[in-house]
Amino acid sequence: AQTVTQSQPEMSVQEAETVTLSCTYDTSENNYYLFWYKQPPSRQMILVIRQEAYKQQNATENRFSVNFQKAAKSFSLKISDSQLGDTAMYFCAFIEGAQKLVFGQGTRLTINP
Amino acid sequence: NAGVTQTPKFQVLKTGQSMTLQCAQDMNHEYMSWYRQDPGMGLRLIHYSVGAGITDQGEVPNGYNVSRSTTEDFPLRLLSAAPSQTSVYFCASRLGTGAQTQYFGPGTRLLVL
Repeated sequence: AQTVTQSQPEMSVQEAETVTLSCTYDTSENNYYLFWYKQPPSRQMILVIRQEAYKQQNATENRFSVNFQKAAKSFSLKISDSQLGDTAMYFCAFIEGAQKLVFGQGTRLTINP
Repeated sequence: NAGVTQTPKFQVLKTGQSMTLQCAQDMNHEYMSWYRQDPGMGLRLIHYSVGAGITDQGEVPNGYNVSRSTTEDFPLRLLSAAPSQTSVYFCASRLGTGAQTQYFGPGTRLLVL
């Protein structure tokens, strides 16, 4: 079974700093997709960024970027110039041919003023 | 577009009662899913559907039933509620396979006494 592991239950940084959230996953497939979702206190799940495994180039979305290491099965999220609005739970998720989206346990990120 | 809507937002049940959590989407998405979110465990897949008339079990299906008679609606039924089903329930939908963005509803908070 596919698994997703987020080893950092909580993280805290100062506003404007850069923070990196870790995620590792396990799969025997070669073609799959990876996602980072943000869940603010409102509980709404918001897609932050996604990465196709067949693409070597790391995905970027404004201040958010990933470091995708396929051989190591690692998919970390870097948030640059962090803002107070980035405070949220962040979930790493994985999907492959079975169409089931598997989530990690989440990392609670707090941005301090 | 309203996106993915869920009702009710909050519900209290007594052990043994039954109820249906409603989910609807107006984006003509093929895929719909139900997740539950428990503290420290991330989101876990309960049931999912790849189209009208087709459903399948996810990671934690016991105690829940689903049906998909139309593309728009995907209700989740609790047949006999148990305290272990106290959780936040999310419905999600996406257009098709792979890297398609999954859209989440606002969630239903369920408390079983």
